[in-house]
Amino acid sequence: EAQVTQNPRYLITVTGKKLTVTCSQNMNHEYMSWYRQDPGLGLRQIYYSMNVEVTDKGDVPEGYKVSRKEKRNFPLILESPSPNQTSLYFCASSLDRGDQPQHFGDGTRLSIL
Amino acid sequence: EDQVTQSPEALRLQEGESSSLNCSYTVSGLRGLFWYRQDPGKGPEFLFTLYSAGEEKEKERLKATLTKKESFLHITAPKPEDSATYLCAVQAADSWGKLQFGAGTQVVVTP
Repeated sequence: EAQVTQNPRYLITVTGKKLTVTCSQNMNHEYMSWYRQDPGLGLRQIYYSMNVEVTDKGDVPEGYKVSRKEKRNFPLILESPSPNQTSLYFCASSLDRGDQPQHFGDGTRLSIL
Repeated sequence: EDQVTQSPEALRLQEGESSSLNCSYTVSGLRGLFWYRQDPGKGPEFLFTLYSAGEEKEKERLKATLTKKESFLHITAPKPEDSATYLCAVQAADSWGKLQFGAGTQVVVTP
């Protein structure tokens, strides 16, 4: 089954404790992206990757890091999480370039206390 | 600055009562406009891509249209299972890979 898998689905943690949200896709997609979703603001793009070892900033990259060492994986790293990063996070992938339909994971709800 | 605005924020419909959702956008050249559906607790699910003004796409009770400044998602004779949040997103011609979403329209269809 074609899917984008995020882990964990839920996490409550404290300010400053480094965390990683993993994202994996099994569709051999070139493009992957991370978004955060907040009430009233919709989905905002954090980082995206057009291919292995190629990553670019979206609209809200501050406080986040990403890496793309393999085509299937695109982890999101919060080196020193803060309460304003409490949000619902989605990973997505598409065939290429990002102007193809994106397949989304089911989300990761992060609470930073 | 690129901007995507969806209206209304929320819409309550009786089953069978057709309506339209609006997505207005300002981008420096449009590469593509996308419609997604999002159910509670789930990630967005792709519905349509529109690339040029005048283009229309249909799927079951949904029809998406595109002009140079806005897109409409028409819901014809909706059923309760059409209840969801509908998201619009645009990609600008000079922004490979960057996607900008609107805040969404929450649709509730009652029997």
